[in-house]
Amino acid sequence: RKEVEQDPGPFNVPEGATVAFNCTYSNSASQSFFWYRQDCRKEPKLLMSVYSSGNEDGRFTAQLNRASQYISLLIRDSKLSDSATYLCVVILYGGSQGNLIFGKGTKLSVKP
Amino acid sequence: EAGVVQSPRYKIIEKKQPVAFWCNPISGHNTLYWYRQNLGQGPELLIRYENEEAVDDSQLPKDRFSAERLKGVDSTLKIQPAELGDSAVYLCASSFGSEGGTEAFFGQGTRLTVV
Repeated sequence: RKEVEQDPGPFNVPEGATVAFNCTYSNSASQSFFWYRQDCRKEPKLLMSVYSSGNEDGRFTAQLNRASQYISLLIRDSKLSDSATYLCVVILYGGSQGNLIFGKGTKLSVKP
Repeated sequence: EAGVVQSPRYKIIEKKQPVAFWCNPISGHNTLYWYRQNLGQGPELLIRYENEEAVDDSQLPKDRFSAERLKGVDSTLKIQPAELGDSAVYLCASSFGSEGGTEAFFGQGTRLTVV
C-alpha cells in the first residue's frame, strides 16, 4: 500500500462548481499535512497547510480526520485558473522523520 | 528574496553518460531535498539533507546516483552512468527547521532526457 493515496482523476468540472479531493495516508505517525498545487510543467507550490481543526482560505477548505487517516480539499466556485494537479503531502515522524511524502496528485480541469 | 535555484533547466544526454544537477536553496534553509518526478506521478524523495548531513538517502540508487552538500548550502546530484529510465524531472526543495517538518519550497526543476 502506498503511503499517500489520491484519486488521480481527472476531475472535469464547469466553472462555478464545487469539487472535493480526498487523500488517505497509511502511517499513523504522520504529523503534518499539506496540499500543494502543481501547474503543467511547473514545480509544486504550497497551497495550504492542513490543521486538525480544519482550515479555510478563501474558496479553499482543508480538513483532516486523524482517526480515519484522511485529508480532504474542497474548492468552491471553481475558476478556470484552478486547473492544475493537486498533491496531497504528509510529513512522517518516525523512521523517515521529516520527509515530505507526496501522493500521485489529482488532476483538475475547470471548463468554461 | 530569491527562491530555490536549480540548473540546468533542461538536459539531454545519451545513455551511459554522466550528468550533474545543481541546487542553491533559499538562504537560511537548513533542510534540502532532492526529488524525482516522473510524468503523471508525484515527486519521490531521493535524499534529504540537514545542513551538510544526509539524514535519509534510503531511496537513492547508490549504484549510479550520488549527492553532496558541501558547507551545508549548495548541493549537487550526479548520475553516472545514466540509463533510459532516469528520464524525469529532478526537483530540489528546501525548508527551514530542525528535522524537516515544515513546508518545502521547490525549484523549477531539471528536466532530464536520456536517449
